[in-house]
Amino acid sequence: EPEVTQTPSHQVTQMGQEVILRCVPISNHLYFYWYRQILGQKVEFLVSFYNNEISEKSEIFDDQFSVERPDGSNFTLKIRSTKLEDSAMYFCASREGASFHYSYEQYFGPGTRLTVT
Amino acid sequence: AQTVTQSQPEMSVQEAETVTLSCTYDTSESDYYLFWYKQPPSRQMILVIRQEAYKQQNATENRFSVNFQKAAKSFSLKISDSQLGDAAMYFCAYIQEVGDQAGNMLTFGGGTRLMVKP
Repeated sequence: EPEVTQTPSHQVTQMGQEVILRCVPISNHLYFYWYRQILGQKVEFLVSFYNNEISEKSEIFDDQFSVERPDGSNFTLKIRSTKLEDSAMYFCASREGASFHYSYEQYFGPGTRLTVT
Repeated sequence: AQTVTQSQPEMSVQEAETVTLSCTYDTSESDYYLFWYKQPPSRQMILVIRQEAYKQQNATENRFSVNFQKAAKSFSLKISDSQLGDAAMYFCAYIQEVGDQAGNMLTFGGGTRLMVKP
């Protein structure tokens, strides 16, 4: 069964460093998302991406964050200058859509645990 | 803005028994979907069950079923014959149906930690 994959599974970085989190969505999916979950808290939406551009972003997704789909398969989240409060689990998700039967199910990757020290 | 509330931070159930997790949501929309996600200790988000708001019939997936009360904006999850592997965080989530719009995002509740006693 197709699945969303994410790399790395765990990233440790120092405050102020740039990190890139990578995701490979399910191949026929067209809509991509990043969510964040700080330990012990709820899952929060960061950004959605379609047709090579951001379609919606939350207040969390400030100028330190950017997303990109550099090729036909990868979807990346970049944090330019990490802060301690960026430590969290980051989930990538994708959904198909763009068909007569809209599917609202979002399929999640296993997450990348980011630790900022 | 839509909100999702899970009023039970923790629940406990005896193996083989039945447990119900509560979820309420607030929306002014009439077309939407609701989901329950399971998050085991690995922290992977696993879809358990979904419910379309336009469907009156409650969704069922094996031992998992929902009680969807649209007027009350309530969406509870019932787990029958609980198993040790059901122990996890459970998140209720809402998504608005707005046609094929990429921007519609999931809004999650705060989660309920389910413990299963052997």
